[in-house]
Amino acid sequence: DVKVTQSSRYLVKRTGEKVFLECVQDMDHENMFWYRQDPGLGLRLIYFSYDVKMKEKGDIPEGYSVSREKKERFSLILESASTNQTSMYLCASSPPSGANVLTFGAGSRLTVL
Amino acid sequence: QQQVKQSPQSLIVQKGGIPIINCAYENTAFDYFPWYQQFPGKGPALLIAIRPDVSEKKEGRFTISFNKSAKQFSLHIMDQPGDSATYFCAASGWDSNYQLIWGAGTKLIIKP
Repeated sequence: DVKVTQSSRYLVKRTGEKVFLECVQDMDHENMFWYRQDPGLGLRLIYFSYDVKMKEKGDIPEGYSVSREKKERFSLILESASTNQTSMYLCASSPPSGANVLTFGAGSRLTVL
Repeated sequence: QQQVKQSPQSLIVQKGGIPIINCAYENTAFDYFPWYQQFPGKGPALLIAIRPDVSEKKEGRFTISFNKSAKQFSLHIMDQPGDSATYFCAASGWDSNYQLIWGAGTKLIIKP
């Protein structure tokens, strides 16, 4: 069963803390994505990556950075967490032949106090 | 031009009804229109998708209707209580770099 695994399901952090969200996929997919999900706003793309060490900004990259040192791992970093970054974060991956056919992880719910 | 507008935001139907969720887009370059289903505590999962060369696609209890001239597409569900979930439509094409443009989501509740 193919999988996208987000290691932290629930996190509570304080304002100003650095936050790492980890995502690992076992499908040998080239493409990986980070979205945030907020009620009424759907899924908004933060960053994506088409290859190792490659990253592209999505629609809402401000306040976030990413790292992709290995093909299977894509990390989202909040350098200094703020309360408006309280959200559900979803990682996804897709193959090059079906770049728009996404497999999602279960999500990481982040609360920033 | 890159927006996908989804309605309604929430929908409650009695068991045996046929919930319909609608999406509209503006970009005529879009050529792939998927629907994703999300249960609580889970990530979205691809449910069904359509391309503009057909007007309807059915998979099990789920049907997509596609109206190219109106730039609209809809999801129809022959419902079961287990279909209570959040549904997202999306669209992509060459000028979105094949990135999915998402609707805002519809929370569907089916009352037994």
